[in-house]
Amino acid sequence: EPEVTQTPSHQVTQMGQEVILRCVPISNHLYFYWYRQILGQKVEFLVSFYNNEISEKSEIFDDQFSVERPDGSNFTLKIRSTKLEDSAMYFCASTSTALMNTEAFFGQGTRLTVV
Amino acid sequence: EDQVTQSPEALRLQEGESSSLNCSYTVSGLRGLFWYRQDPGKGPEFLFTLYSAGEEKEKERLKATLTKKESFLHITAPKPEDSATYLCAVRAITSGTYKYIFGTGTRLKVLA
Repeated sequence: EPEVTQTPSHQVTQMGQEVILRCVPISNHLYFYWYRQILGQKVEFLVSFYNNEISEKSEIFDDQFSVERPDGSNFTLKIRSTKLEDSAMYFCASTSTALMNTEAFFGQGTRLTVV
Repeated sequence: EDQVTQSPEALRLQEGESSSLNCSYTVSGLRGLFWYRQDPGKGPEFLFTLYSAGEEKEKERLKATLTKKESFLHITAPKPEDSATYLCAVRAITSGTYKYIFGTGTRLKVLA
């Protein structure tokens, strides 16, 4: 069964360092998303991406964040200078179209710990 | 403002004790309501999609229903393996773009 794959599963980084979280969406999907979930809190939308550009971003997705689809399969989230409050689970998701009858399939997440 | 509210926050059931979880929403352009199951430390796992009021979907012990303002996830005769957090999300369109808005979830614990 096709699945969204995320690497690494756990990343520990020093405050102020750059991190790149990687995702391989389902191969025929066209819409990609990043979400985060701070421990014990709800899943929060960060950004959506289609046709090599950002479709929408939340207020959380500030200038420290960027996304990229460097090749035909990977979708990355970069945090330029991490802060303690960036510690969270980051989930990548993909959907086949933006039309109705489209559920988002999620990866297993990357746990980011900023120390 | 688009909003999704789930209740209760937590629910403890005895095995076999049926119950319902609620998801109420206020969004400007609903394009689907989704139920997910999330186990600790894992990503959300898709359960159901509902699109129009009156629609119902079933899968094993779970049944999801939708009205114009809320959705219910009914759990019939639950088993301990149904213990998880159940998330409701709506897909909405605003200004021509799509996004998913999640509720805070209901933590379900089924006791043997």
